[in-house]
Amino acid sequence: GEDVEQSLFLSVREGDSSVINCTYTDSSSTYLYWYKQEPGAGLQLLTYIFSNMDMKQDQRLTVLLNKKDKHLSLRIADTQTGDSAIYFCAETPTGGYQKVTFGTGTKLQVIP
Amino acid sequence: EPEVTQTPSHQVTQMGQEVILRCVPISNHLYFYWYRQILGQKVEFLVSFYNNEISEKSEIFDDQFSVERPDGSNFTLKIRSTKLEDSAMYFCASSERQGDYNEQFFGPGTRLTVL
Repeated sequence: GEDVEQSLFLSVREGDSSVINCTYTDSSSTYLYWYKQEPGAGLQLLTYIFSNMDMKQDQRLTVLLNKKDKHLSLRIADTQTGDSAIYFCAETPTGGYQKVTFGTGTKLQVIP
Repeated sequence: EPEVTQTPSHQVTQMGQEVILRCVPISNHLYFYWYRQILGQKVEFLVSFYNNEISEKSEIFDDQFSVERPDGSNFTLKIRSTKLEDSAMYFCASSERQGDYNEQFFGPGTRLTVL
């Protein structure tokens, strides 16, 4: 079955770049997502990338996809204290299946 | 901005009791989902629902679970006889359409504690 793995914790200084990494097993993944979860809040979709793309940039966010290695990363430039949250990598497989498979989540701590 | 809402935010119940978790999806959305997250573990898919039917369900979604859209706005998850291991955060989500690009909008979750 599908599996998505992430490191559990990342600590960065305010103003630095953060890079959160994810690996997945399902080679038929069509869309890969990054969700953000702030304390007490739901899961907010930050960005997504289609599997035929290598990179997507959206303001401070850069997503890199290495399909050969099944590796996805999220880079946050100029990290702010408001970026402190848990970041989930997620995927949906080919075929338009509806369920989203989530990773374990990476807790990002931004030190002022 | 439209959002998915869930009630209650926290539910405490005794083992063996029935609970109903409520969700109000975004009004023009047609597809509805429940996920759960046991503390410290992954967010796991439970069930998807469309046109008053279950579209897909996971192994977790056994006979103790049921979903319903009792009216035009609410979407509920019922757990018939709760177990200790049902303690988790339950997230409702909705999407406008299915298909490959499937942005699901998530609610803030209901924390269920089974004693």
